[in-house]
Amino acid sequence: DAMVIQNPRYQVTQFGKPVTLSCSQTLNHNVMYWYQQKSSQAPKLLFHYYDKDFNNEADTPDNFQSRRPNTSFCFLDIRSPGLGDAAMYLCATSRDAGGDHEQYFGPGTRLTVT
Amino acid sequence: SQKIEQNSEALNIQEGKTATLTCNYTNYSPAYLQWYRQDPGRGPVFLLLIRENEKEKRKERLKVTFDTTLKQSLFHITASQPADSATYLCALDDSNYQLIWGAGTKLIIKP
Repeated sequence: DAMVIQNPRYQVTQFGKPVTLSCSQTLNHNVMYWYQQKSSQAPKLLFHYYDKDFNNEADTPDNFQSRRPNTSFCFLDIRSPGLGDAAMYLCATSRDAGGDHEQYFGPGTRLTVT
Repeated sequence: SQKIEQNSEALNIQEGKTATLTCNYTNYSPAYLQWYRQDPGRGPVFLLLIRENEKEKRKERLKVTFDTTLKQSLFHITASQPADSATYLCALDDSNYQLIWGAGTKLIIKP
């Protein structure tokens, strides 16, 4: 089945130690998103790619970076994780940008910072 | 800026009854509004999309309404079942072709 896959499902890192989260998709969608979601809060868009075009949200900290080496894969790098970065990180895809396109989410990566 | 308000208190409904969840927005009326289901520790799953010129959309036991005058969408689940227990999120499109998300309402269906 076509899907969005995230690895790992659970990630524990130390304060200040770089960490990379990965996402892959078999849907061949143009758009890939990274969201941060904390408990009982709305998903917060960090950035998205439309094909190879990178779009950073204005309030995304510089500590967060992303790479999309090809259509299928996208990575989230957190250069120096702080305690406040502990959250669920969600990867999503859509066929095209815009509110008339549904988003397909992966299962998420739960990040713990110790 | 656009804000979305969903009831932060959990909604408890008896099995078999209709559950109604509310999504209010504060600013401009979006062209599209989407509803998603999210189970604990999982990513959201798309349920329904409604356009601004549509008053109502149905899918099996689900119904969504969109009232641009009230700046509100209602999400109904008829003949609710314990398996419908989850958090339901609404999302609106913004001027940058992205979605703005609500924090969701937790729905609990009691047997």
